[in-house]
Amino acid sequence: SFVLTQPPSVSAAPGKTASITCVGNNIGSKRVHWYQQKPGQAPMVVIYYDTDRPSGIPERLSGSNSGNTATLTISWVEAGDEADYYCLVWDSSSDQYVFGTGTKVSVL
Amino acid sequence: QITLKESGPTLVKPTQTLTLTCTFSGFSLTTSGVGVGWIRQPPGKALEWLALIYRDDNKRYSPSLKSRLAITKDTSENRVALTMTNMDPVDTATYFCATTAFGSGWFGPHWGQGILVAVSS
Repeated sequence: SFVLTQPPSVSAAPGKTASITCVGNNIGSKRVHWYQQKPGQAPMVVIYYDTDRPSGIPERLSGSNSGNTATLTISWVEAGDEADYYCLVWDSSSDQYVFGTGTKVSVL
Repeated sequence: QITLKESGPTLVKPTQTLTLTCTFSGFSLTTSGVGVGWIRQPPGKALEWLALIYRDDNKRYSPSLKSRLAITKDTSENRVALTMTNMDPVDTATYFCATTAFGSGWFGPHWGQGILVAVSS
């Protein structure tokens, strides 16, 4: 089955950049979506279709996807960005939605 | 305003069958392309997709759990139910329902608050 691997944790100081990778076989051929989840809350989409931001999501959050790696980049990190982040794809070959392993972002 | 809320038992015994209901408002499953999905999250672990259903009764299931799952809709009552058979302690998780659009490949933007289901004797 299709597997999406993320680093367990990423940290960054306020004002710096945090990058979260999502590695999967030829993920560049799929559409990747990113979720932010804070403790006790439901996930919230922050990037969809690789690079699009829902209304209300700041431009500081951006996405890219190529080859075997999709990346969520958080620029000018703020304390409010502390959360778990998950990537998601639809894998047509196995006919299923697959979430990544999740990354905890800490602000130093 | 679109809202979703999960309901059902919060404690089930091993081997029992779990039935959860997602009651929603602000949209209708009679609208073309609209769907509702179920996703779960064991404590401290990652999200896992379970199943989804669309307006036309098109259903999709996680291949690894397909034999244990059934998803149904009640359009008149604005409800979607998920049944999972032969529950095991590893199925202890928070279960979420969420909106989806046909072909979008993602869930949301509307999610329920989730319901924590424990499996224990």
